[in-house]
Amino acid sequence: EAQVTQNPRYLITVTGKKLTVTCSQNMNHEYMSWYRQDPGLGLRQIYYSMNVEVTDKGDVPEGYKVSRKEKRNFPLILESPSPNQTSLYFCASSSTVVRGGDEQFFGPGTRLTVL
Amino acid sequence: AQSVAQPEDQVNVAEGNPLTVKCTYSVSGNPYLFWYVQYPNRGLQFLLKYITGDNLVKGSYGFEAEFNKSQTSFHLKKPSALVSDSALYFCAVRGYNFNKFYFGSGTKLNVKP
Repeated sequence: EAQVTQNPRYLITVTGKKLTVTCSQNMNHEYMSWYRQDPGLGLRQIYYSMNVEVTDKGDVPEGYKVSRKEKRNFPLILESPSPNQTSLYFCASSSTVVRGGDEQFFGPGTRLTVL
Repeated sequence: AQSVAQPEDQVNVAEGNPLTVKCTYSVSGNPYLFWYVQYPNRGLQFLLKYITGDNLVKGSYGFEAEFNKSQTSFHLKKPSALVSDSALYFCAVRGYNFNKFYFGSGTKLNVKP
């Protein structure tokens, strides 16, 4: 089954404790992206990757890191989480964004709480 | 600056009636526009997109959207709403960079029997 998986689905942590949220897709997609969803703000793009070893900042990259060492994986790293990073996080992938791009496939989401 | 506005936080409609969920955008160059739907505790699902061509775009589950360049709008429509259409709807646009996406704040659609 074609899908985007994220782990963990739920996470409660404390300020300053490094964490990683994994994202994996099995569709051989080139483009991958991370979003955060907050009430009243919709989805905001954190980072995206056009392909392996190619990443770039979205609209709200502060406090986050990413890497793309393999085509299928795109982990999101919070090196020193703070309470304002409490949010619902989504990973997404698409086959390409050239010429307008294809639709994105979204993972099920990771609900993160930073105390 | 690139942006998307969904002016209504919530839209209420009776089952069987037509529905419209509004979206306006601001983007440099030609816009690439998308609609997504989110059901409770789920990720977003693609509904339809406008890249170029016909201003009326048809998508999944009987939804369609009309691109209006002069009004910079991309409203989502359905001729006859179903209770199962109740969900959160997001409009999105590809930005000037062509690699970044901008989403609206979302509109909650409530369809009542």
